[in-house]
Amino acid sequence: QVQLHQWGAGLLKPPETLSLTCAVYGGSFGGYYWNWIRQPPGKGLEWIGEINHSGSTNYNPSLKSRVTISVDTSKNQISLRLSSVTAADTAVYYCARGSYTSGFFGVRKYFDPWGQGTLVTVSS
Amino acid sequence: QSALTQPASVSGSPGQSITISCTGTSSDVGGHNYVSWYQQHPDRAPKLMIYDVSNRPSGLSNRFSGSKSGNTASLTISGLQAEDEADYYCSSYTGSSTYVFGTGTKVTVL
Repeated sequence: QVQLHQWGAGLLKPPETLSLTCAVYGGSFGGYYWNWIRQPPGKGLEWIGEINHSGSTNYNPSLKSRVTISVDTSKNQISLRLSSVTAADTAVYYCARGSYTSGFFGVRKYFDPWGQGTLVTVSS
Repeated sequence: QSALTQPASVSGSPGQSITISCTGTSSDVGGHNYVSWYQQHPDRAPKLMIYDVSNRPSGLSNRFSGSKSGNTASLTISGLQAEDEADYYCSSYTGSSTYVFGTGTKVTVL
């Protein structure tokens, strides 16, 4: 049973850099893309980006200039950095397992399971 | 990429069926059979309910079903129960290695 546990700083000031980490326990780490998704308070979900074990990334074009997702395969962890944050970046940030790394295993274009979520508040 | 369009709210009485729509474009919903649906209770992480338009994860109630026609996908909840009261989000792969979510629908059980 795969479980995702995430952590990071919960209160930031503009224009600091947001930094979160997500650890994957159980199951295969290398066979999937791992995603970051966020949800502003009272609003909908927004896909941020994804990374696989070899460091291949895909980003939401609207955030691409400020986002860096990295991977540490020795610890089965992924990390999110979002630079120059503003109040608009206040949200609950989730990590989630996504698609297969290789088409050999088929096609998987959904998010499951999810981490518990981390609330990040940006306020001056 | 614009968010997929969902109704803000849908309601129904216990035992009834309700349907939530999710409208996109030919670049996302209409162009791929990779629509998924998520249920989110307050202060909880989203939970996968439907993937690949109409497939249910193992163990999930068959009261939940999905379909698609053109650029619009739909989630139907039959035999509505109190525990179904939650927010529901659709998501679609866009074909350019990115994903887009719907605006979200609040389901109320009357």
